[in-house]
Amino acid sequence: DTGVSQDPRHKITKRGQNVTFRCDPISEHNRLYWYRQTLGQGPEFLTYFQNEAQLEKSRLLSDRFSAERPKGSFSTLEIQRTEQGDSAMYLCASSPSNPGISGYTFGSGTRLTVV
Amino acid sequence: QKEVEQDPGPLSVPEGAIVSLNCTYSNSAFQYFMWYRQYSRKGPELLMYTYSSGNKEDGRFTAQVDKSSKYISLFIRDSQPSDSATYLCAMSAYTGNQFYFGTGTSLTVIP
Repeated sequence: DTGVSQDPRHKITKRGQNVTFRCDPISEHNRLYWYRQTLGQGPEFLTYFQNEAQLEKSRLLSDRFSAERPKGSFSTLEIQRTEQGDSAMYLCASSPSNPGISGYTFGSGTRLTVV
Repeated sequence: QKEVEQDPGPLSVPEGAIVSLNCTYSNSAFQYFMWYRQYSRKGPELLMYTYSSGNKEDGRFTAQVDKSSKYISLFIRDSQPSDSATYLCAMSAYTGNQFYFGTGTSLTVIP
């Protein structure tokens, strides 16, 4: 198991374009989280899945953002009609149902730059 | 008021020093507390995870939680240049729920 994997590592897009990011969690983890982090700030919660069910969404997740986890394994985060304010690091994390001592494991993130 | 407050630093210490990093919070429902280390342009890496009040030690790292004061700390003993990073505190009311992060404290350990 190689941990949480995110793809791509870096994405540059023009304003108004759509982008999609992928996250592959640790295989035995059934919980998956998306966070957004801007420079000099801590990560901010976007949404959370347990298996394929999206259980919680932040008000930060506008209608231009959509996340899926169709088979309870990998997840995608899509941003439609990107804006310059969407430029950030998008982080995915996963955990087992009872994080216990293992806590939450983050991937290395996808850095989005909107020009 | 932010859910979690953390002094952003920057903090600069000589190698071998004891480092103290702190966060305060406002939500008394928080009971799961974490410390993450984040190197530049990388994802956060979990250092310590504690439940409720008390101390937890792991090697050179000690995490303390004082729920009565809504205050958590991370101590790093015998600090090394490789400890230079941003340290983020995070907390949650329930397992599996969203967790709230501080802004992070930037630490530099000078050889």
